[in-house]
Amino acid sequence: DTAVSQTPKYLVTQMGNDKSIKCEQNLGHDTMYWYKQDSKKFLKIMFSYNNKELIINETVPNRFSPKSPDKAHLNLHINSLELGDSAVYFCASSQDHLAPYNEQFFGPGTRLTVL
Amino acid sequence: AQKVTQAQTEISVVEKEDVTLDCVYETRDTTYYLFWYKQPPSGELVFLIRRNSFDEQNEISGRYSWNFQKSTSSFNFTITASQVVDSAVYFCALSVNDYKLSFGAGTTVTVRA
Repeated sequence: DTAVSQTPKYLVTQMGNDKSIKCEQNLGHDTMYWYKQDSKKFLKIMFSYNNKELIINETVPNRFSPKSPDKAHLNLHINSLELGDSAVYFCASSQDHLAPYNEQFFGPGTRLTVL
Repeated sequence: AQKVTQAQTEISVVEKEDVTLDCVYETRDTTYYLFWYKQPPSGELVFLIRRNSFDEQNEISGRYSWNFQKSTSSFNFTITASQVVDSAVYFCALSVNDYKLSFGAGTTVTVRA
């Protein structure tokens, strides 16, 4: 069983379009995250949700809107896609955001290419 | 603010050589946690180890070992007798009570047969 899954794995789209990436975890964790990995492999947190509530928003443009229907799912919706949004987006989960010692489990990543 | 520096961008070795990856961190918090993750060519991120700021004991796991030194704010990672399967990008990361992982820029390790 996949612990953290993301769909789709690859996403190619035109500038200006709106797209969504879905993430699901079956680990029973309370906290989920979205990270962006740029072309230089640099990883930066975008959002974190704990039990459906937003706890971290790292100055991400408001074209990016995370949605958590329940604690096992954290989807990322992106409006008006721009060339600079091209990256690999990783979803992750951890047991409890109040315990920074908990390791985060990452999904396989979604490679977004904006043309 | 937290910062993690991995000064080595790329390291290339021949199989069976040892390779050490440097990680230097900055934080004002006295309680913090350090992590290493591996990202193989397939792209997923794999957790390797966690250390808390109160535990300076070094750790060995098979061919992997970690050296944590608070005096120099370093948490270095050594792969002994490297193998081709060790080829990956390795990330050092830091977590404090702001509940997020701050990653270093990563070190790409290439092990040649």
